[in-house]
Amino acid sequence: EAGVVQSPRYKIIEKKQPVAFWCNPISGHNTLYWYRQNLGQGPELLIRYENEEAVDDSQLPKDRFSAERLKGVDSTLKIQPAELGDSAVYLCASSLDVPYEQYFGPGTRLTVT
Amino acid sequence: KQEVTQIPAALSVPEGENLVLNCSFTDSAIYNLQWFRQDPGKGLTSLLLIQSSQREQTSGRLNASLDKSSGRSTLYIAASQPGDSATYLCAVRPGYGGSQGNLIFGKGTKLSVKP
Repeated sequence: EAGVVQSPRYKIIEKKQPVAFWCNPISGHNTLYWYRQNLGQGPELLIRYENEEAVDDSQLPKDRFSAERLKGVDSTLKIQPAELGDSAVYLCASSLDVPYEQYFGPGTRLTVT
Repeated sequence: KQEVTQIPAALSVPEGENLVLNCSFTDSAIYNLQWFRQDPGKGLTSLLLIQSSQREQTSGRLNASLDKSSGRSTLYIAASQPGDSATYLCAVRPGYGGSQGNLIFGKGTKLSVKP
């Protein structure tokens, strides 16, 4: 069974440029999560989808971040414009309903210069 | 607000030792607790998930325990190997009246097992 797929794995951009990350969850998983992980910290949730609906986006900086999950499968996270403080690893995870065990992708390491 | 703490932040042991990693959380109202492993530059790999009604889970050389009343979980690794070197993260999923919240992570314990 294929795991959670993310692309790109690495991205280097200049500040004020836009960037997008893509995630394909495990087949059949209806819940999808986007996390941001700073160096030496645990992941922090940005947004959670159940099927196509964003059920928790309270931690998403909505002035510059946006996300979508079309057809309840793949998802895209976008930052526009990027700031230096956005440098981090962006992780995607997915889960079934109960017991909500989350499976993570390899992440995208973003560097903003 | 739920907070998760992992102590120590880093641990170095010789190969073959049995070791315990600690995780504490401030609110005992949890739905479940999950232990992850993260290798450098990689994503998180789920190791064990313990439901709030369970006391422990085992997988191979790993054993995780949960004591909700004291707000503690431990991850026991038997006969450690250099390949166990990684950062181990603990995360709790709050549970209130049957609904489930989002995972809240600790900062992790960086384990180094020396040959």
